[in-house]
Amino acid sequence: QQQVKQSPQSLIVQKGGIPIINCAYENTAFDYFPWYQQFPGKGPALLIAIRPDVSEKKEGRFTISFNKSAKQFSLHIMDSQPGDSATYFCAARWMDSSYKLIFGSGTRLLVRP
Amino acid sequence: NAGVTQTPKFQVLKTGQSMTLQCAQDMNHNSMYWYRQDPGMGLRLIYYSASEGTTDKGEVPNGYNVSRLNKREFSLRLESAAPSQTSVYFCASSAMGSGQPQHFGDGTRLSIL
Repeated sequence: QQQVKQSPQSLIVQKGGIPIINCAYENTAFDYFPWYQQFPGKGPALLIAIRPDVSEKKEGRFTISFNKSAKQFSLHIMDSQPGDSATYFCAARWMDSSYKLIFGSGTRLLVRP
Repeated sequence: NAGVTQTPKFQVLKTGQSMTLQCAQDMNHNSMYWYRQDPGMGLRLIYYSASEGTTDKGEVPNGYNVSRLNKREFSLRLESAAPSQTSVYFCASSAMGSGQPQHFGDGTRLSIL
């Protein structure tokens, strides 16, 4: 049973476009939602994170939107660049733990020049 | 700084063989993690260590053991490797109170025949 559902599996945009990656969760016991970026052959890197009491968070060209009532959150990449081509993972952290993250299945993003 | 270093980078084992994956971090982080990454499944937590001398099971601990040797090092052992353990293994670390893994190694690609 997948507790954090991520879509789409893959995404292709042109340079300058705004790719949007969506995640949905069922369990209300999650209290923290980070996103990770992974380049081929490398480990994931923490990109940006949000708590459910905030509806939006921006860091540079990356924005998380959070809809608590719908149990959905999404990552937007403004003015996307070929260097943003990577796999992106959303995750959700259990409220009763400081370490148990449940990861989505990942979205492979390709930004064409 | 090297960050999180994993060895080896690649390994092929035969079913039933044993092996230890090594991980070391030089950021003075308290918490360390072992994840496995399989296609289409995101990352799944195998074991976690909040601090030197403590370890806890994650989502998929069966078939694995860990040792937190000191603050820097956290090893993962496969006592009797099985083909189902073919995966990419990532070690990660985080500072106390950060709430999620912050820095990942580049992974160990393990194939079990």
